[in-house]
Amino acid sequence: ETGVTQTPRHLVMGMTNKKSLKCEQHLGHNAMYWYKQSAKKPLELMFVYSLEERVENNSVPSRFSPECPNSSHLFLHLHTLQPEDSALYLCASSRGEDRDNEQFFGPGTRLTVL
Amino acid sequence: KNEVEQSPQNLTAQEGEFITINCSYSVGISALHWLQQHPGGGIVSLFMLSSGKKKHGRLIATINIQEKHSSLHITASHPRDSAVYICAVRSSRDDKIIFGKGTRLHILP
Repeated sequence: ETGVTQTPRHLVMGMTNKKSLKCEQHLGHNAMYWYKQSAKKPLELMFVYSLEERVENNSVPSRFSPECPNSSHLFLHLHTLQPEDSALYLCASSRGEDRDNEQFFGPGTRLTVL
Repeated sequence: KNEVEQSPQNLTAQEGEFITINCSYSVGISALHWLQQHPGGGIVSLFMLSSGKKKHGRLIATINIQEKHSSLHITASHPRDSAVYICAVRSSRDDKIIFGKGTRLHILP
């Protein structure tokens, strides 16, 4: 148990659906991250939020829309996804946005797009 | 070619064996991280290195900045060490984190 929870753990959606992934951290951290992990590819950093402000967006398509309403919660809103978006989506948090601060990861949401 | 390469991609060993996982990178870095990902997805940060060597329990991580190479060693390996081990570097050029593809380790009882 890392103190970072993600829901749902598994999600199957059609290409026309709209769904949201939720991440919550109970560690008092002020930086949160979304990562994508596809089969046989390295982890990809998607978004970084520090003090509820987006500080990094790594060329992620607009069909992925993050939201950080407060320092404990992070959402990833999904709409009109493609089958190639099927992957494990991991959330992490850290004490600050310094990339060398230890990041604590959630268990991930395994997403399948049909 | 990836900027961070790990070897081997897959490793199966018997319980008790000494394990070495390698990471080579081609960019200038300010730090290197080793992560452990268990089946099911959860990731744990093991080490952050900028020079030399660190030890935590049965795990040892070393880095040679001149050779752009790091190794992760596991002594007296155990089936619970079975996981994917991921190397990541922080580029000193643009501060971005670059991940390797991971090494899948399976320790047989």
